Amino acid sequence: SAVISQKPSRDICQRGTSLTIQCQVDSQVTMMFWYRQQPGQSLTLIATANQGSEATYESGFVIDKFPISRPNLTFSTLTVSNMSPEDSSIYLCSVGRTLQGDTQYFGPGTRLTVL
Amino acid sequence: AQKITQTQPGMFVQEKEAVTLDCTYDTSDPSYGLFWYKQPSSGEMIFLIYQGSYDQQNATEGRYSLNFQKARKSANLVISASQLGDSAMYFCAMREPRSNDYKLSFGAGTTVTVRA
Repeated sequence: SAVISQKPSRDICQRGTSLTIQCQVDSQVTMMFWYRQQPGQSLTLIATANQGSEATYESGFVIDKFPISRPNLTFSTLTVSNMSPEDSSIYLCSVGRTLQGDTQYFGPGTRLTVL
Repeated sequence: AQKITQTQPGMFVQEKEAVTLDCTYDTSDPSYGLFWYKQPSSGEMIFLIYQGSYDQQNATEGRYSLNFQKARKSANLVISASQLGDSAMYFCAMREPRSNDYKLSFGAGTTVTVRA
């Protein structure tokens, strides 16, 4: 299985600021995804991080609020911009092994609290 | 429309007993994948088991087995010989390759509490 790390593991931020979350994988993967899990809720896909091109965002999520980079096949960042308390969530990076996609693994998550 | 339905918000199970977590899904695509994940209080998502729509046999991984009933569109997770460490939230998820982007849709989750 893929080994995925995320930084930071948790943070407490002030409203109006931005936080960049990093996701590092120990091997090259085709698919990388960013999910949000609000308190007591299930996971919601924010976007698919595409290597070398702009991310593909889901309905309700926009690039200005959640800019994503993916400079290579093992690394991606998600920025949560101009934060408000409603952004308090766990943010999870996920990777798929191949285009045929047998299993999707998740990073340990970043627990964000916005005051 | 809801693609994954988990109707049990919470369940209690006695240690060493088996527990079944329900999951039904909705898709018109003949090719799809079904996943179960465990999320302890730490927040990480731990992959448990996978079932492909064309797999002939039910998936098993140690104490986890998937009761796949394709005609009923159900993919229930069975945890045998429950342990205290099994206390967590469990999510069922589905991947449809239709759009070729392999996104996962998640159910609402079921909280399992194992009692000693």
